[in-house]
Amino acid sequence: DGGITQSPKYLFRKEGQNVTLSCEQNLNHDAMYWYRQDPGQGLRLIYYSQIVNDFQKGDIAEGYSVSREKKESFPLTVTSAQKNPTAFYLCASSTGQVLVYGYTFGSGTRLTVV
Amino acid sequence: LAKTTQPISMDSYEGQEVNITCSHNNIATNDYITWYQQFPSQGPRFIIQGYKTKVTNEVASLFIPADRKSSTLSLPRVSLSDTAVYYCLVGEAGNQFYFGTGTSLTVIP
Repeated sequence: DGGITQSPKYLFRKEGQNVTLSCEQNLNHDAMYWYRQDPGQGLRLIYYSQIVNDFQKGDIAEGYSVSREKKESFPLTVTSAQKNPTAFYLCASSTGQVLVYGYTFGSGTRLTVV
Repeated sequence: LAKTTQPISMDSYEGQEVNITCSHNNIATNDYITWYQQFPSQGPRFIIQGYKTKVTNEVASLFIPADRKSSTLSLPRVSLSDTAVYYCLVGEAGNQFYFGTGTSLTVIP
């Protein structure tokens, strides 16, 4: 089945640590996105990539980094510079024509700082 | 980037029709209107999309007036499993979209 796989489902991070969230898709989609969701809030865009080896900052990129070395993969690193990283992180992908086919989302990673 | 305004929450009894309205006063000529549904601890999923007038699929209907400054998602005969957050997005192909806080729908037995 085609889809997006995010791992791990739950992640715990100590203060000062960097952690990397995995996102893999087998939909042959060109574009991939990372969103952050806080309790009772909507989705806020962290980074997006419309093509391999290229990515753009979203609304809340500070404290995060990404790479897009392969079409299928778009990992997100939450660095120690992110002061409040506890949140639900969602990865999505789309074809170039988002409005025709829409976004496909993964099942999310819940990150907690301990 | 077109922003949208939706009610924060709504309650409905099972079996009723639910209408959720979204305001998008600064919608551009090339913008489409798309609705997503999100269950707790899951990613949103696409429900329906339209440009003008009315669109219907097996899940919902979307009503868009002639001025396109608002749209209404209609869910017929809701059940408990329709309890979720519903997001209205407005934008043009290839651009980024603003999800906002969505409308939290609670279906009551």
